[in-house]
Amino acid sequence: KQEVTQIPAALSVPEGENLVLNCSFTDSAIYNLQWFRQDPGKGLTSLLLIQSSQREQTSGRLNASLDKSSGRSTLYIAASQPGDSATYLCAVQGAQKLVFGQGTRLTINP
Amino acid sequence: EPEVTQTPSHQVTQMGQEVILRCVPISNHLYFYWYRQILGQKVEFLVSFYNNEISEKSEIFDDQFSVERPDGSNFTLKIRSTKLEDSAMYFCASELSSYNEQFFGPGTRLTVL
Repeated sequence: KQEVTQIPAALSVPEGENLVLNCSFTDSAIYNLQWFRQDPGKGLTSLLLIQSSQREQTSGRLNASLDKSSGRSTLYIAASQPGDSATYLCAVQGAQKLVFGQGTRLTINP
Repeated sequence: EPEVTQTPSHQVTQMGQEVILRCVPISNHLYFYWYRQILGQKVEFLVSFYNNEISEKSEIFDDQFSVERPDGSNFTLKIRSTKLEDSAMYFCASELSSYNEQFFGPGTRLTVL
């Protein structure tokens, strides 16, 4: 059974710092990995999708990497801003469904 | 930009009552999903739907749950007899093709009293 873990559970950094969020999964037989952002009480906003054949994807200040064989992904956020404060979720797709981690709650302090 | 929509945003019901949660997926998408998130817990998969039938369902999705695509645009989740533990945020998602990016709606917060 696929298990997804995200470390740390919470992170607080000053504005302007670069930061890395971690995601690990137990079964490397995945089709893709997706990173989401969730604001309190809101839905999930898709940030990046990495297919299993890819090593990384970039969107603006975000860069996600995938090492399928070791069951790891990282989300790199450059030059963090207060508006980046949210919970970040990673999810892997092995069959059709997504299996989610518990998220990293990120706070960017002005 | 096309988006997934869900109604209502919040539903309060009494235990034992039936509820129907509604979703309008992105128009050209072919795969549809329901997930739920109990407060403070992980987002968990309920059911996937393709070609007018359920393609996968979780252990949570028992006989009390059903899904339907009654027309070309709506996708519904019905809970026949709600329990207190059904209180959660329910998310609908849609996907253009298999193993692609899933787009989520804003969710329906279901409160069972």
